Amino acid sequence: KNQVEQSPQSLIILEGKNCTLQCNYTVSPFSNLRWYKQDTGRGPVSLTIMTFSENTKSNGRYTATLDADTKQSSLHITASQLSDSASYICVVSARYGNKLVFGAGTILRVKS
Amino acid sequence: DGGITQSPKYLFRKEGQNVTLSCEQNLNHDAMYWYRQDPGQGLRLIYYSQIVNDFQKGDIAEGYSVSREKKESFPLTVTSAQKNPTAFYLCATGERTDEQFFGPGTRLTVL
Repeated sequence: KNQVEQSPQSLIILEGKNCTLQCNYTVSPFSNLRWYKQDTGRGPVSLTIMTFSENTKSNGRYTATLDADTKQSSLHITASQLSDSASYICVVSARYGNKLVFGAGTILRVKS
Repeated sequence: DGGITQSPKYLFRKEGQNVTLSCEQNLNHDAMYWYRQDPGQGLRLIYYSQIVNDFQKGDIAEGYSVSREKKESFPLTVTSAQKNPTAFYLCATGERTDEQFFGPGTRLTVL
């Protein structure tokens, strides 16, 4: 069964600190993996996308990594800001089919 | 959110009532999707449409209906047959399944 598991479920960090969110998947055959940021009460917005051949992708203070062999991805946030408080969702696309597989998300709260 | 609008932002439904959620896009995308989001769960696909006048059931289509009469519009009706409709509903569009852009969402609450 195609699944995406994210950890931790929630995380609280102090402003200025770094953090890393994890995503494990069983989707096969793998096509690509995206990380989305979803502010409370809003729609998700794409942060990064990685294909099978990519193992690192950055978008400002956000850096995603992908290990296709172990089927794991991480999202590292550097020098966190209050505006980083949101839910971060890992989404995996299979090479065939018309659906995406969504993780349940990690809720990040950055406090001052 | 870009060129995707969803209305209303908040919607309240009484028992036994049908309600319709609007999704409009000006991105000229062929494909449109409806998802349901519940706390602690990943987004679940309700219906999707890859072309005008055609749509397919997703994983949780029971109690929902859609139409796709225009490329720009993909309304979702939550019928009285949906016994637990309270959720956050997201519409998405895209040219490819693996590249979807999401609207701002509609929060539906059953009174």
